[in-house]
Amino acid sequence: AQSVTQLDSHVSVSEGTPVLLRCNYSSSYSPSLFWYVQHPNKGLQLLLKYTSAATLVKGINGFEAEFKKSETSFHLTKPSAHMSDAAEYFCVVSAPRGSTGGGNKLTFGTGTQLKVEL
Amino acid sequence: DGGITQSPKYLFRKEGQNVTLSCEQNLNHDAMYWYRQDPGQGLRLIYYSQIVNDFQKGDIAEGYSVSREKKESFPLTVTSAQKNPTAFYLCASSIRTLNEQFFGPGTRLTVL
Repeated sequence: AQSVTQLDSHVSVSEGTPVLLRCNYSSSYSPSLFWYVQHPNKGLQLLLKYTSAATLVKGINGFEAEFKKSETSFHLTKPSAHMSDAAEYFCVVSAPRGSTGGGNKLTFGTGTQLKVEL
Repeated sequence: DGGITQSPKYLFRKEGQNVTLSCEQNLNHDAMYWYRQDPGQGLRLIYYSQIVNDFQKGDIAEGYSVSREKKESFPLTVTSAQKNPTAFYLCASSIRTLNEQFFGPGTRLTVL
């Protein structure tokens, strides 16, 4: 079984200040982890992914995330927020589907709405 | 220009009607997926297909049906048996089910 908890449903920051979006996961397997971003009425865009290589993962648009196994966390950060970063962000864990079917199963967090103010 | 297209962008349906949502990809991906998104919730998997002519139920398949006759196409039919169909529907694809998924722009379905 696997699950994802995004600890904040809403985060508000000022433009130019750091962003921290928190994600904790649980998985019976060694998981792959992803962060996706969704702008209003749009599909999801992959920001970055962790697949058991380097624990600090760099993504697009200046975002990065650090995989911490001891804390079961995969928090998303950005040093300086931009107005265009305002969107909803989803933390996703991927692990083998196991006995219920082939391939991997993605489990999505409930999302964090990021607001960027002037 | 490769990607995933979904049509229509907005869809209105009367209660009791079936409706089909289109999803096409030209990425040559083997696996395709349908998700439902409701406000304040994460995405929930409706159906997925790992290969042509094969598909499996996801977590919330009741009231939905799919087909996978071609590699590039994975249409979703929302039937009258779906009790609460108003939602945002997202289609995705991946090279294989072990890889990250790429999403289409979505279809917003409203039942009147």
